[in-house]
Order: sequence, then C-alpha cells, then structure tokens
Amino acid sequence: QQQVKQSPQSLIVQKGGISIINCAYENTAFDYFPWYQQFPGKGPALLIAIRPDVSEKKEGRFTISFNKSAKQFSLHIMDSQPGDSATYFCAASMDSGAGSYQLTFGKGTKLSVIP
Amino acid sequence: DTEVTQTPKHLVMGMTNKKSLKCEQHMGHRAMYWYKQKAKKPPELMFVYSYEKLSINESVPSRFSPECPNSSLLNLHLHALQPEDSALYLCASSQDSFPRTYYEQYFGPGTRLTVT
Repeated sequence: QQQVKQSPQSLIVQKGGISIINCAYENTAFDYFPWYQQFPGKGPALLIAIRPDVSEKKEGRFTISFNKSAKQFSLHIMDSQPGDSATYFCAASMDSGAGSYQLTFGKGTKLSVIP
Repeated sequence: DTEVTQTPKHLVMGMTNKKSLKCEQHMGHRAMYWYKQKAKKPPELMFVYSYEKLSINESVPSRFSPECPNSSLLNLHLHALQPEDSALYLCASSQDSFPRTYYEQYFGPGTRLTVT
C-alpha cells in the first residue's frame, strides 16, 4: 500500500503563530520524505526533506519531525507569516528503479495565515 | 540552479487539435516526470523517463504521448483530448546517483491546459 495520509485539510493560523501539518504512511519501503509548498497557479516547490534515519531537520522557520516507529512525520512552521499562505503537500519517495524515484503525495493542506 | 522550465504557460485546445507541451532542464538530471494536477488535488504521476527511456506509464490514455528527445528535454504530445483532461500539467526532474544521495524532484511551473 502506498498511501500517505495528511491532516488537516485546511489550517488557519494567526501571524506569528506555529503551523503544524501531520502526515502518516504505511509502506516501509519509503525512504525519503519531502514537503512541497505550492502557490495558486504555480508548480510545487521543494521546501524541506528528511531521511528516516534522522528524527528532526530544521531549515530557518521550517522544521520536520520524523517518528520512524510510528511512521509519522510533521511540518512545523514557526513565526508563520501571511506569505506562507499556500497549499502544503507531504510526500514519500521510493526508488522506482533505473535511476528514478516515485513520489506518493498526501492530499494537501491549505494554510491561511491571517494578520 | 534548480530550474525546470515549461512551455507554454497556458494552452487552450479543441478536442480535435494536436498540441505539444515542452519541458527542459539543464541540471544534468537523468530522470524526468510528467504529472497531472487537478484543482485542489495533489499531483498525479503520468510518466517517468529514466536515461531517456520510458520506465513508468501509469496507465495513461493513448491520447497522451510522451517523448524524450534527449536528456534535457521532455515533450508531451496531446491529441483528441477530452474536457476532463483540463488540468495543470507539471514536469519534474531528479538526479541519479550511486550510492543514492540525491532524492529531490524539482518541479516546473506547469502548463495550464484547457480543453474546449
């Protein structure tokens, strides 16, 4: 099974607050977990990613927490800003052979940061 | 530079037309991907090319025909599309390395396709 479950579907956060998006997966063959940020009418942009041998990765205001035993990972956005308002997709990657990688996406979270 | 470019940005076509979408990357990536994305949904994989060979076709209808002329270019030829094929078509690319150290897929801005 290759499903990735993402929650919540939508999220409203005050400016300066913490945004938290959660994802869970089932297939233990996944070996890389990226997050993508997508603005309306644009392509997804890689935000941050983590390997399963690491429990946390931080880049600026963005942090991924990873729990391998629970098969869960989450994105935390600290000091959320109106410019962070976008749709966020978690994904899980596995080797599909011949030098390519297959991404399985969560359904997305629409984040709105209000002033 | 992590840029994937796509042309055109917008395309309107009738159901009897033939058109092509183009994708280009100059990062030396050897895997390239086509995705379809409907509004408020995640990208859905259509095709994967690896080393210029088609490696994955996710049971896509034959009215979509991919082509990889060289390692930097990826085309998607469209013919006899249906209105339900209207969507954002995304191209992505990724590096290949052994041992595997590069995992990221980088997406282009997409082509917004409307079928009338």
